[in-house]
Formats: sequence, C-alpha cells, structure tokens
Amino acid sequence: EAQVTQNPRYLITVTGKKLTVTCSQNMNHEYMSWYRQDPGLGLRQIYYSMNVEVTDKGDVPEGYKVSRKEKRNFPLILESPSPNQTSLYFCASSFLRSGGTSTDTQYFGPGTRLTVL
Amino acid sequence: LAKTTQPISMDSYEGQEVNITCSHNNIATNDYITWYQQFPSQGPRFIIQGYKTKVTNEVASLFIPADRKSSTLSLPRVSLSDTAVYYCLSARDYKLSFGAGTTVTVRA
Repeated sequence: EAQVTQNPRYLITVTGKKLTVTCSQNMNHEYMSWYRQDPGLGLRQIYYSMNVEVTDKGDVPEGYKVSRKEKRNFPLILESPSPNQTSLYFCASSFLRSGGTSTDTQYFGPGTRLTVL
Repeated sequence: LAKTTQPISMDSYEGQEVNITCSHNNIATNDYITWYQQFPSQGPRFIIQGYKTKVTNEVASLFIPADRKSSTLSLPRVSLSDTAVYYCLSARDYKLSFGAGTTVTVRA
C-alpha cells in the first residue's frame, strides 16, 4: 500500500531533550516536507527536500533540523526542544512535475502529536 | 512566497452547494492550484487540482478565472461527512503555503 509513515505518533518530552521524528514513504517520491499545525494557523512548512542531500527552509525552520540521506526517509530533528514546539507535525511527499520546477499532489502522513514540557 | 487568502469559516446544510473562494495573487506561471481536505487529527488529503478554466471530478469542481489570481472550490450537495477544513495550496518553486484554511460545517 502506498503510504507515508511517521513515528512516533505521540510523544511527550521535556525541554532540551533531543528527539527525532521519522518519516518514510514508499512511493519513490523526490519531494518530501515537514509541516507543523497549530490552532488557527493552519499548516506551516518547516523544511522541504527536493531530492537526496537537497534540503531547504520553509516558513518556520527555527529550532529544527532535517536530513535526506535516502530517498524514502526524511527525519525531523529537534536538537533542544522547547515548549513552543508543542504542535501536531505532518510529513508529506510528492513527485516533482515534469521539468522539476514544481511539486505534484502531496501525500500526507498520519501526524505526530508532540508535547514539550 | 505566494500567500493564499480564504474565508475562515462557512456554514451550510445537507444537500446544499458550498463554494469556497481562495485568493492567490502571486501564483507563479507554472504552478497548479490544488485543494486539500482535512478532518480532525488526520493529514490533509487531495481533493482536486487545476491550472485554468474548470476541472471536475467525482467529489468537487474547481473554477479558475483567466487571470488565475483566485480559484473557487465547489462542493455539490454536501453531507455531514463533508464537515472539514479545506485548504487551497499555493506554491512558488518548491516552497508550499497552505494558509489557515476554511472550516466548513455542514448541519442537518
């Protein structure tokens, strides 16, 4: 089954304790990205990746890191989490359109609910 | 980055048609206009996509004027299960902007 998986689905942690949220897709998509969703603010893009070893900042990258060593995986790293990073996080992936200048339909994972105390 | 503007919320009744308009003034020439639906605690899912004029699929229609600065998602004969948040997606190069979305509430 074609899907985007995220782990863990729920996480409660404390300020400053490094954590990683994994994201994996089995559709051979070039493009992957991370979003956070907060009440009233919709989905805001954190980081995105156009392909292996190619990443760039979205609208809200502060406090996050990413890596893309393999095409299927795109982990989100919080080196020193803070309470303002408490949020619902979504990973998404897609093909790039022919010509590679824009993205195709986004497929989203189930979400990771993170609480930082 | 091209930003989108949508109404915050809309109310409707079962069987009615719901139209949601999104403004995307800075859309790039090669970008498509895409709409997504999101239920609580789930990831958004694709509804419909278009480049210009009108596109229709089994769940919705999308109307795009010639200048492409806006688009209108039309949901025909909504049911209670159509209660959700609807996002129009704007993209510039590889950076995507979903905005705050429109919460559609369908009542019996």
